[in-house]
Amino acid sequence: EVQLVESGGGLVQPGRSLKLSCAASGFTFSNYYMAWVRQAPKKGLEWVATISTSGSRTYYPDSVKGRFTISRDNAKSSLYLQMNSLKSEDTATYYCAREPHYFDYWGQGVMVTVSS
Amino acid sequence: ETVLTQSPTTTAASPGEKVTITCRASSSVSYMHWYQQKSGASPKLWIYDTSKLASGVPNRFSGSGSGTSYSLIISSIESEDAATYYCQQKSSDPPTFGAGTKLELK
Repeated sequence: EVQLVESGGGLVQPGRSLKLSCAASGFTFSNYYMAWVRQAPKKGLEWVATISTSGSRTYYPDSVKGRFTISRDNAKSSLYLQMNSLKSEDTATYYCAREPHYFDYWGQGVMVTVSS
Repeated sequence: ETVLTQSPTTTAASPGEKVTITCRASSSVSYMHWYQQKSGASPKLWIYDTSKLASGVPNRFSGSGSGTSYSLIISSIESEDAATYYCQQKSSDPPTFGAGTKLELK
């Protein structure tokens, strides 16, 4: 059974940093692109970042480019999202997702609140 | 960026009725994917590559479309189908989602 379990969320002040983690199990992690998708409270879904199988290629929308960094550790079957210079508009539930051209498995999500 | 516009934004239907949700893309895309999200839960892949049902999805659901117009169709709605449905494309970067269609049961 595919499982994705996020951790690392919480309350953080504007301008500060936070790192999210996602522990994957139930599939060969190194064979799949992985992604982060977020959802602001009572809003829709927004893609945040994607990483290739080896980690050599990463992709971001303009809204987070230069502030967020996605990475992975295939030996640990883990995905990460380093978020710097956080803004109030980054407040959202962040989901880890497996990405074979679409998002076929999602984690339970972790809440990030950016507020002073 | 390819903008996806879903309609309707909200709809209500009685059990047994047919429901159609439409997703229009601002430029042509090759495939459309659909997700179901129930309140307080994570999204689930529902339909992928325009018309393929994800594992466990009832066959009362179907997907169709091409180019800039795609649809998710429920042939005979049941109470468990109440949820928000999102379309999503990855034919052009960045991947984008529609704003969602909230489906309620009367």
